[in-house]
Amino acid sequence: QQQVKQSPQSLIVQKGGISIINCAYENTAFDYFPWYQQFPGKGPALLIAIRPDVSEKKEGRFTISFNKSAKQFSLHIMDSQPGDSATYFCAAEGAGSYQLTFGKGTKLSVIP
Amino acid sequence: DTGVSQDPRHKITKRGQNVTFRCDPISEHNRLYWYRQTLGQGPEFLTYFQNEAQLEKSRLLSDRFSAERPKGSFSTLEIQRTEQGDSAMYLCEGGANVLTFGAGSRLTVL
Repeated sequence: QQQVKQSPQSLIVQKGGISIINCAYENTAFDYFPWYQQFPGKGPALLIAIRPDVSEKKEGRFTISFNKSAKQFSLHIMDSQPGDSATYFCAAEGAGSYQLTFGKGTKLSVIP
Repeated sequence: DTGVSQDPRHKITKRGQNVTFRCDPISEHNRLYWYRQTLGQGPEFLTYFQNEAQLEKSRLLSDRFSAERPKGSFSTLEIQRTEQGDSAMYLCEGGANVLTFGAGSRLTVL
């Protein structure tokens, strides 16, 4: 059973545009929601994370929006650049657990 | 340099052989995770160490898999009697407050 569903599977955005990736979760015990960026041949790198006590968190061009009632969260990349082209993963972790559950990933291509 | 080194970067083995991967975090990394990632999928949790104690292990983890972290420094992940389905990238993540992934060890089982 997939506990974190991520969409879309792939995304093409023009340079300067906004990239939006969505995730939905089922387990209400999740209380930590990070986003990771992964380039080919590299391990994932933490981009930004949020806890359910806030509805939005912004760091530079990256923003997480969190909707606790809908059990959904999303990553917005403003002013997308070709260097942002990578695979993005959402994840979730529950209180009292050390396990991160990842989504299946979104391959983002930013075209000039 | 992420501060987490993994070795080897790529291992090719025949089905039935044993393989061992090593992860070297920096000394302040009291937390250490192992994940497995197959093509087109997100990382899948395998096990977690806090210092030398293995605190959590995935229920999906076959008994062919074992991990150790002696003295709370480096960690090893051993896969016994490898199967073709074990072909994947094995990722180590270490840290204290902020966690960092290594570049991974890619296993190919022929």
